[in-house]
Amino acid sequence: SQTIHQWPATLVQPVGSPLSLECTVEGTSNPNLYWYRQAAGRGLQLLFYSVGIGQISSEVPQNLSASRPQDRQFILSSKKLLLSDSGFYLCAWSVGRGAGNTIYFGEGSWLTVV
Amino acid sequence: AQSVAQPEDQVNVAEGNPLTVKCTYSVSGNPYLFWYVQYPNRGLQFLLKYITGDNLVKGSYGFEAEFNKSQTSFHLKKPSALVSDSALYFCAVRLYSSASKIIFGSGTRLSIRP
Repeated sequence: SQTIHQWPATLVQPVGSPLSLECTVEGTSNPNLYWYRQAAGRGLQLLFYSVGIGQISSEVPQNLSASRPQDRQFILSSKKLLLSDSGFYLCAWSVGRGAGNTIYFGEGSWLTVV
Repeated sequence: AQSVAQPEDQVNVAEGNPLTVKCTYSVSGNPYLFWYVQYPNRGLQFLLKYITGDNLVKGSYGFEAEFNKSQTSFHLKKPSALVSDSALYFCAVRLYSSASKIIFGSGTRLSIRP
């Protein structure tokens, strides 16, 4: 069966420091991969999605970037964190290009920028 | 434009009573509709989805949802609520055959009192 791993689970970083959140999916190949941010325990904002290695689409301009160095690995990065980058970050995956395919989420990473 | 609305920020129900969490959508074609549940400090868990066919969809943990095309709704229901159902619920809609075009509602917090 497929599983998704996301780490670290919690992170406290000073303003201006770099960020790296990692996500890997097991048990499937060529997944679609996503990074979402959830602020204030409510709405989900799609940050990046990827349909293949090296293929990254950004949904909103921001202080963050994403990379997909391997088929099942998705990394969210920042060179210099801002206070506004604080939030709950969720990695997710799906398979196939059909609109009916389910998106499955990881357990999330809490980022606090101080 | 494609959108989804959850008109209630919070729903309060007594344990053992039926529950309904409302969702309406606006799309220009045939929608693919999803419900997710999120427990505190956790990722989103997939509950059920409507793709085509029977308008009543059954999902995990005894939940079901009814697709109503004329009312453009996809309400989540359960005949008898449990305290453990207390969580944040998200409705989502997807239209295009695309990896990314899934829109989440703002979420409804369900509180079940003993």
